[in-house]
Amino acid sequence: KNEVEQSPQNLTAQEGEFITINCSYSVGISALHWLQQHPGGGIVSLFMLSSGKKKHGRLIATINIQEKHSSLHITASHPRDSAVYICAALTQGGSEKLVFGKGMKLTVNP
Amino acid sequence: EAGVAQSPRYKIIEKRQSVAFWCNPISGHATLYWYQQILGQGPKLLIQFQNNGVVDDSQLPKDRFSAERLKGVDSTLKIQPAKLEDSAVYLCASSLTTGAFGYTFGSGTRLTVV
Repeated sequence: KNEVEQSPQNLTAQEGEFITINCSYSVGISALHWLQQHPGGGIVSLFMLSSGKKKHGRLIATINIQEKHSSLHITASHPRDSAVYICAALTQGGSEKLVFGKGMKLTVNP
Repeated sequence: EAGVAQSPRYKIIEKRQSVAFWCNPISGHATLYWYQQILGQGPKLLIQFQNNGVVDDSQLPKDRFSAERLKGVDSTLKIQPAKLEDSAVYLCASSLTTGAFGYTFGSGTRLTVV
């Protein structure tokens, strides 16, 4: 079992839909990152969370430390949101590491 | 500020050939990471540098992969000889210090081994 699990693995939505991407982790973390990866490989950091909720434009990220779960929400989705969304946990301890989920491929159709 | 620069963007080589990738991190970022991302999977850490010293290279296949970060700035990752299973995107990232917030990733190098 991976230390960071994402669901669903793939999602196809229609433009305008509200989208939720889930991430569960089994390790102790100091922070959790949500990353966006477009075709071609480059990764952009969307959010870094250690508690509560963050909002940026149409994106909202939440984290529940007790339940070891985080969600990324996209409101009023748009075709340009089509990308792979990756959850990555920054582990606690002396040797902190970024542990990645496998990512979720989102396709938003017009 | 300028981002993490990587080159080349794409590379196609035959198996058993050698290849090298280059990364220039954000100025002042002490920590540099090389990740391998195979299609359909999340990135896997290959090696982590703190300045010019290696912090973690436990998942680096040392029989064929090598990396260096001379002078604690630019870094190169080399594969010699390449295998078909090395086909992947190689991502470089940097952060101010180990475990710090604010990782910045480069655009990656897509390697295809034929």
